[in-house]
Amino acid sequence: KAGVTQTPRYLIKTRGQQVTLSCSPISGHRSVSWYQQTPGQGLQFLFEYFSETQRNKGNFPGRFSGRQFSNSRSEMNVSTLELGDSALYLCASREDTPYEQYFGPGTRLTVT
Amino acid sequence: KQEVTQIPAALSVPEGENLVLNCSFTDSAIYNLQWFRQDPGKGLTSLLLIQSSQREQTSGRLNASLDKSSGRSTLYIAASQPGDSATYLCAVWGAAGNKLTFGGGTRVLVKP
Repeated sequence: KAGVTQTPRYLIKTRGQQVTLSCSPISGHRSVSWYQQTPGQGLQFLFEYFSETQRNKGNFPGRFSGRQFSNSRSEMNVSTLELGDSALYLCASREDTPYEQYFGPGTRLTVT
Repeated sequence: KQEVTQIPAALSVPEGENLVLNCSFTDSAIYNLQWFRQDPGKGLTSLLLIQSSQREQTSGRLNASLDKSSGRSTLYIAASQPGDSATYLCAVWGAAGNKLTFGGGTRVLVKP
């Protein structure tokens, strides 16, 4: 099976803009989670979608949002970008059990 | 709130030496614990998944143990090689929510 794919791999945006990141899970996986990784905060959970419904949400401001489509592909949107949003954004997918997460290569977002 | 700690933050060993990486977590109510490897600027590669009912899991030169009652896991890498140089992260899937909580990672350098 193909692994988790994320597009684009690299992005450079200006403060105040918005950005959309895409994630395609492993075939058959209905759960998609998003994580933010920064040198200062490490890996932090953003949200999880399962069958097009958000099941869990981390402690991030409302500027961070996501959605999942009927084919399990997911998008994450960040509006009104801030310098602190510069990070590696990782997507992970899994079957409902046994909860083993498989991660994609990430999208490196740089906000200038 | 679940907290995961990895000590030491960095480790340097000569090639051939066995590696011992530690992970501790504060809430023993977990479904599983997962060890990952991350190369610089890359996504996470799953190494081992230990279910909460298991005491250890092995794959090749890797062996991970889990002591849920004391909130500890240890990853052993036998006969280290320069190619093992990477950051190793442990993460727990808590019973309270649909997410992984990560430790800060241990950065490993294996010197030839």
